[in-house]
Order: sequence, then structure tokens, then C-alpha cells
Amino acid sequence: NAGVTQTPKFQVLKTGQSMTLQCAQDMNHEYMSWYRQDPGMGLRLIHYSVGAGITDQGEVPNGYNVSRSTTEDFPLRLLSAAPSQTSVYFCASSYSALGQPQHFGDGTRLSIL
Amino acid sequence: EDQVTQSPEALRLQEGESSSLNCSYTVSGLRGLFWYRQDPGKGPEFLFTLYSAGEEKEKERLKATLTKKESFLHITAPKPEDSATYLCAVQGGGGGSNYKLTFGKGTLLTVNP
Repeated sequence: NAGVTQTPKFQVLKTGQSMTLQCAQDMNHEYMSWYRQDPGMGLRLIHYSVGAGITDQGEVPNGYNVSRSTTEDFPLRLLSAAPSQTSVYFCASSYSALGQPQHFGDGTRLSIL
Repeated sequence: EDQVTQSPEALRLQEGESSSLNCSYTVSGLRGLFWYRQDPGKGPEFLFTLYSAGEEKEKERLKATLTKKESFLHITAPKPEDSATYLCAVQGGGGGSNYKLTFGKGTLLTVNP
């Protein structure tokens, strides 16, 4: 099993550009989520999904969009990139939403110039 | 609102020198407390889940314990390969929790040979 796979690993964007961060898991997990990790801030939840077709906002959702058309995939879209979105983005999945450990990918390092 | 505070922020040990990391938390209705290890440039790697006060989990040189207010990660006779950032997270069951994990800022552990 590959676990949680994130692509790309690194990306540099200009302010105003849009892009999609990809996340795929092969564990048949129902719950998937996106976090951003910034120095001194800890990991913060952006969006999450409890199953295909169901998504909801987390702690810091502004400027990001998600969809979940399949159990395996949960892409994160930056609509119009801003320097404040420079961060490391992690996708995670778990068997269910409550009380289960979330398994993380290795992240996408994103710089917005 | 759920809160997690980890201490110390950084800890430097000699190989074989046992110590403990602390995770203090406040949460409405604990669904689970999770310990992760994060190596530079990688995503968090799941270590343990604890669900109720008094519970203990062990894995090699690591032992996690839980009380109603805090969790400890005990490291016995550490080796240089134990060097990493250790993250603590809680999931609460209170209203509006969004199923999210609330993370602490982590403890950076360095084990010198």
C-alpha cells in the first residue's frame, strides 16, 4: 500500500495564479482532510470530507476549495494564490471521522511570490 | 475551544538518557489523544492513540500515558535515530469541533551520540 500520496512535492506560484494540490489514498478510508503547517502555528485544518460527495470547512478555509468525487481522491484548489498561503500542506486520511488516527502524506511545499 | 500545549519546545539528550515530553490539553469530550513523530521534510507519522485516563501504550523505547489533563511521552534509553519533532493532538466531541485534530506546536527532540 502506498498510503497517502501527495503531488506535487514542491511548487512555486505567482500571486493570483490558481493550482490544485493532489491527494490520493489507497486504504479505503472514509475521512480525508487537508492541513497547513506554518512555523510556530502548528497544523491547522483547512477542509475535510467524511465521505465521497461530502465536504465541509475547517479552521482556515478562506482561499481554498475542495471536492470529493471518489473515496480515493481529495484535491485542494487554491483559487487565487496569495503570499499568505505560502506553507506546507498535508493531506491526511482515517478509517472514520471520530477517534481514529489520521495518516498523513509527506506534504506539498508551496511558495507564493 | 480545544487547546494543546506541549513542553518543552526543544529537548537535547545524550544517548541513553531517559526523559519525558509533556502534552497538556483542554477538550470537550475527548475522542482521542494522538502522538505523532515528524522528521524534517516528512509528514507526521502516527505513534499512539489514547482514549481514556489511565491508559498506556508502548512501542520500542516509547511509552505514552494519559491523565484527564495531560499526556506524557516517555523515552527510555533514546538513540540518535529517535531525534525528531514529536506532536501531540486531541480530537474532541464537543459541538462545532468539525472532527478536527487540534495539534500542539511540538517538541523538537535531539539525541546526541
